[in-house]
Amino acid sequence: EVQLQESGPGLVKPSQSLSLTCSVTGYSITSNYWGWIRKFPGNKMEWMGYISYSGSTSYNPSLKSRISITRDTSKNQFFLQLNSVTTEDTATYYCAKSPGGYRDYWGQGVMVTVSS
Amino acid sequence: DIQMTQSPSFLSASVGDRVTINCKASQNINKYLNWYQQKLGEAPKRLIYNTNNLQTGIPSRFSGSGSGTDYTLTISSLQPEDFATYFCLQHNSFPWTFGGGTKLELK
Repeated sequence: EVQLQESGPGLVKPSQSLSLTCSVTGYSITSNYWGWIRKFPGNKMEWMGYISYSGSTSYNPSLKSRISITRDTSKNQFFLQLNSVTTEDTATYYCAKSPGGYRDYWGQGVMVTVSS
Repeated sequence: DIQMTQSPSFLSASVGDRVTINCKASQNINKYLNWYQQKLGEAPKRLIYNTNNLQTGIPSRFSGSGSGTDYTLTISSLQPEDFATYFCLQHNSFPWTFGGGTKLELK
């Protein structure tokens, strides 16, 4: 069974960096594409970016200067770093496999609040 | 970016009703359109991929159709467990973009 699990701080101060980990079991992240998605209060959703099986990345232009997605293949984990956060980055963050193909995997999500 | 306009935002219906939810893309997305269901506190669950392919394990009362810029999710006969939020996602071009969501409520 494939499982994705997000982890990281639930509270981040404004101007600091948000760092999350997605731990994947049952499927190697050296196959396919893996991404971060967030759901804002009010239900708007945004696909933030992804990392490919080869380690290449693509980021939503709305975040391009603040976001970094990296991975550790030895641990089958990939990571999100979002810099210079504001209260508008308060959201539930999900990791997931890319939307193509007949398999679909999502984590349960982690709520992150940006507040001083 | 491709904008996805989803309608309606809210839908009130009864068990047994047939309901449709629509997504309109700002440009042709070549049928690269998925539909998801999400319940409070849970991960999104994909129902349909690439317009009309039913995800494994999803009941056949869910179906999808469309082409070009216009896409529809149909639930043929609502069941109590179907009351949730639904949203579409285009993955024709990055950034992949979501519709605004439809909250399906019990009338």
